[in-house]
Amino acid sequence: AQSVTQLDSQVPVFEEAPVELRCNYSSSVSVYLFWYVQYPNQGLQLLLKYLSGSTLVESINGFEAEFNKSQTSFHLRKPSVHISDTAEYFCAVSDGNAGNMLTFGGGTRLMVKP
Amino acid sequence: KAGVTQTPRYLIKTRGQQVTLSCSPISGHRSVSWYQQTPGQGLQFLFEYFSETQRNKGNFPGRFSGRQFSNSRSEMNVSTLELGDSALYLCASSRLAGGTDTQYFGPGTRLTVL
Repeated sequence: AQSVTQLDSQVPVFEEAPVELRCNYSSSVSVYLFWYVQYPNQGLQLLLKYLSGSTLVESINGFEAEFNKSQTSFHLRKPSVHISDTAEYFCAVSDGNAGNMLTFGGGTRLMVKP
Repeated sequence: KAGVTQTPRYLIKTRGQQVTLSCSPISGHRSVSWYQQTPGQGLQFLFEYFSETQRNKGNFPGRFSGRQFSNSRSEMNVSTLELGDSALYLCASSRLAGGTDTQYFGPGTRLTVL
């Protein structure tokens, strides 16, 4: 069975400061890793995903995440956050053997303050 | 291209009733997955359908069921509603079912059980 742990339920940060949202997973098989963002009263939007290859993946809006197999982590980072980044962020894992089933972490609420 | 649509957006029911939620995937997408989101349990996988066949099912009681039609639209049904079924129900669609394809989420149906 897979599980995903997001170590911080809330992360307050000032605008233009760097941020890291932590995600650790456990799985007995190779996995695919995802970060989704959820704005208030909306569904989830994919930020970025790791399937294979380069362990550093980037999104179009400045976020990046690094897959670390030895530490079973997939932390999300952004060097400079904006007020508009305020949202809930979910880390998720799938193993490809269970179709599109995603196992999600508990979420991290990023609160960007002016 | 239109996104994933879910109807209705909001629903209020009483205990013991049943409810049907609908999801229309992005055109050309054949996989539809359903998730339940609650403050206490977070995001939990309900089931996935691909080409009208249920491929995976999460750990939910038999009161939760679903189906997919030949046009890929999907419905989920919850019978004998309980207070704990109050949640945001999200559906997601993707072209394929191998776990690597990007899943696009709808805005969700918020179900309140009184």
